[in-house]
Amino acid sequence: DAKTTQPPSMDCAEGRAANLPCNHSTISGNEYVYWYRQIHSQGPQYIIHGLKNNETNEMASLIITEDRKSSTLILPHATLRDTAVYYCIVRVDTGGGADGLTFGKGTHLIIQP
Amino acid sequence: DGGITQSPKYLFRKEGQNVTLSCEQNLNHDAMYWYRQDPGQGLRLIYYSQIVNDFQKGDIAEGYSVSREKKESFPLTVTSAQKNPTAFYLCASSTPPDRATDTQYFGPGTRLTVL
Repeated sequence: DAKTTQPPSMDCAEGRAANLPCNHSTISGNEYVYWYRQIHSQGPQYIIHGLKNNETNEMASLIITEDRKSSTLILPHATLRDTAVYYCIVRVDTGGGADGLTFGKGTHLIIQP
Repeated sequence: DGGITQSPKYLFRKEGQNVTLSCEQNLNHDAMYWYRQDPGQGLRLIYYSQIVNDFQKGDIAEGYSVSREKKESFPLTVTSAQKNPTAFYLCASSTPPDRATDTQYFGPGTRLTVL
């Protein structure tokens, strides 16, 4: 699986959009981009994933560049409860076999009141 | 409610003792996973199981053992051979993977402290 690079920490004001970047310059054609987040001392929570196209769900939007070498997770109206460590993971489609996810250190997003 | 349960939330053991961490899911997921997390670090895969009676070593399997006798359960034993067992242990499960929905769902974790 390709490696990812994320800033170690970011601040965002409550009510503003939080934009979390992720670089994955070695991503290959069959690798998806996944985002998870982990609130302190809890299990990680799935947020969103995508392959090429931009994706949106009730939690967030995922913008993937045309060359797929980077992506941005957008939380449109951040709240204090969005304070967490956000992990960007690129993962090959194993075509029928389930293996584990590779988590880096992620970005610690702090929402300021 | 459907979900993944891990018990207990906090566990203390003396050095040299084996300890078994529980993980149960009622999501009807085929695949289950165990991860370890150390302070300030990401998660590292210990073992995973795609189906009942089958499991595979992850990146840091040494000093750990698992069993998968039932679809719903995937207990992890931390043996005395594990050099640094104090950590936060997370269990996860996922549906049979297809090209669009291979996401993992995590339990609340067990924090193990070996004294």
